[in-house]
Amino acid sequence: EAQVTQNPRYLITVTGKKLTVTCSQNMNHEYMSWYRQDPGLGLRQIYYSMNVEVTDKGDVPEGYKVSRKEKRNFPLILESPSPNQTSLYFCASSSKGVELNTEAFFGQGTRLTVV
Amino acid sequence: AQKITQTQPGMFVQEKEAVTLDCTYDTSDQSYGLFWYKQPSSGEMIFLIYQGSYDEQNATEGRYSLNFQKARKSANLVISASQLGDSAMYFCAMREGPDSGAGSYQLTFGKGTKLSVIP
Repeated sequence: EAQVTQNPRYLITVTGKKLTVTCSQNMNHEYMSWYRQDPGLGLRQIYYSMNVEVTDKGDVPEGYKVSRKEKRNFPLILESPSPNQTSLYFCASSSKGVELNTEAFFGQGTRLTVV
Repeated sequence: AQKITQTQPGMFVQEKEAVTLDCTYDTSDQSYGLFWYKQPSSGEMIFLIYQGSYDEQNATEGRYSLNFQKARKSANLVISASQLGDSAMYFCAMREGPDSGAGSYQLTFGKGTKLSVIP
């Protein structure tokens, strides 16, 4: 079954304690990205990756890091989480191509609370 | 300026009736794609329908159709015969072409419309 898997689904952590949210896809997609969703703001892109070892900032990258060492994995790293990073996070993947109609497949979401 | 505008934070519809969720977009690209996603209370993002800027026909997928008015830059989602299971957040999103300079295949989302279906 084609899917994007995020872990954990729920996480409560304390300010400053480094954490990693994992994301893995089994569709051999080149393009992966991270979004955060906040009430009244919709989804905003944090980082994206066009392929292995190719990453770039989205609209709200401050406080986050990513890596793309393997095609299937795209972890999101919060080196020193702060309460304003409390949010619902989504990983997404899609095949890169010249067509625009490539559907983005989303993970189930990770609800992060930083206290 | 916002690239995607959804002006209805919340809407109610009677079961079995049709409902239109509004979406307007802003781009100078000639080539772009428009998407609608559904997010039920469980949180997952479910792809509903896609419309390409060069598509002459309005997209349809089952009970979902997209009222695409290119000159007005609107891409409204129409849900026919609403069901209780349609109660959810709905997001409109746009992907611009490489000429936009983004080159990122980024989906830009609106703020969403919460639809509630009344029995």
